Amino acid sequence: AQKITQTQPGMFVQEKEAVTLDCTYDTSDPSYGLFWYKQPSSGEMIFLIYQGSYDQQNATEGRYSLNFQKARKSANLVISASQLGDSAMYFCAMREDQFSGGYNKLIFGAGTRLAVHP
Amino acid sequence: ETGVTQSPTHLIKTRGQQVTLRCSSQSGHNTVSWYQQALGQGPQFIFQYYREEENGRGNFPPRFSGLQFPNYSSELNVNALELDDSALYLCASSLGQEDTGELFFGEGSRLTVL
Repeated sequence: AQKITQTQPGMFVQEKEAVTLDCTYDTSDPSYGLFWYKQPSSGEMIFLIYQGSYDQQNATEGRYSLNFQKARKSANLVISASQLGDSAMYFCAMREDQFSGGYNKLIFGAGTRLAVHP
Repeated sequence: ETGVTQSPTHLIKTRGQQVTLRCSSQSGHNTVSWYQQALGQGPQFIFQYYREEENGRGNFPPRFSGLQFPNYSSELNVNALELDDSALYLCASSLGQEDTGELFFGEGSRLTVL
């Protein structure tokens, strides 16, 4: 079974509008972390936001917020006020704290390509 | 910029050859992990080095091997290259087992196997 599922291969949004990128995950590890990364065409993975499984509040980082619904096992990324520079691939990833044996193994989804239109 | 640098950025090899990819981690980071990203897919974990020892490995055959040096830079070696090894290879560094485990990635080495 897929551990990280991103059901939207591609999304587009008008500049200055908000967009939500979907991510669902599957784990039985009681302690885990969820990440979102942006990958522009240069290839570098740029860290955007992190949510720990025990965090009570949804994470926010500037224009990025993570809509964490633990019971539904979803961790959607919300980008507010989209900019042309937001056009890129976006990856959701999970680290299973106990199952990973204590090392920084991230499990990535297949990604969503976001296009921001002027 | 993350401060993680990888070389070479692009290379072409033929089936059966061997390749070495290099990574300089961000200053102060003692943990390096390597990921393989095939075209159109998310990255897949290959292995991780912590203080010069491999301390975690994904589902990759033994012909994928690595090293970490005292300055925490790292190498990924792939022997007996196969066509399916064509991918972007990403190196990521982190500071041990920080709370968030945030990884800082380089821009990758794009390998083409003909």
